[in-house]
Amino acid sequence: AQTVTQSQPEMSVQEAETVTLSCTYDTSESDYYLFWYKQPPSRQMILVIRQEAYKQQNATENRFSVNFQKAAKSFSLKISDSQLGDAAMYFCAYRGGNQFYFGTGTSLTVIP
Amino acid sequence: SQTIHQWPATLVQPVGSPLSLECTVEGTSNPNLYWYRQAAGRGLQLLFYSVGIGQISSEVPQNLSASRPQDRQFILSSKKLLLSDSGFYLCAWSVGQLGEQYFGPGTRLTVT
Repeated sequence: AQTVTQSQPEMSVQEAETVTLSCTYDTSESDYYLFWYKQPPSRQMILVIRQEAYKQQNATENRFSVNFQKAAKSFSLKISDSQLGDAAMYFCAYRGGNQFYFGTGTSLTVIP
Repeated sequence: SQTIHQWPATLVQPVGSPLSLECTVEGTSNPNLYWYRQAAGRGLQLLFYSVGIGQISSEVPQNLSASRPQDRQFILSSKKLLLSDSGFYLCAWSVGQLGEQYFGPGTRLTVT
């Protein structure tokens, strides 16, 4: 069964600094998708970034980038130049077929 | 563009009362539809997903049920609510077996 593990329940970062959120997953599939979602206090789930497993190049979206290590089944999110608006719960997710599997989340605090 | 609607946004119901939450998607055809529940400060628990009209897969045994009477409509129901049904309910959609999942704004359910 596919599982997604986020080992950091809480993280904090100084404004304008960089923070990395960790995620590992378990799968026997070779083709799949990985995502990071952000859930601010409004609780709306917002897609931050996606990675297709067959692509070796790490995805980047403005200040957000991932470090995708397929062999290690690791998918970390790096947030550069952190802003107050980045404060939220972040969920790592794996897609296999029609199903999505989510980690338990990392609560990110941004310190002014 | 695609949009997803959920209602009501907030609901307070007594134990033993029925429940009906509705989710509709606009701007896409034959979406995969999902119901998740999220307890406060916790991750997402997949309750049901549907790949087509009348096709419902249940992931967790509980007193909830789901129906998909139309292509872009997904309904979550209960005949008798339990205190443990309290939580934040999210509807989501995706297309095919590629790409990400998009979420509705959610319904906050409190069972008293």
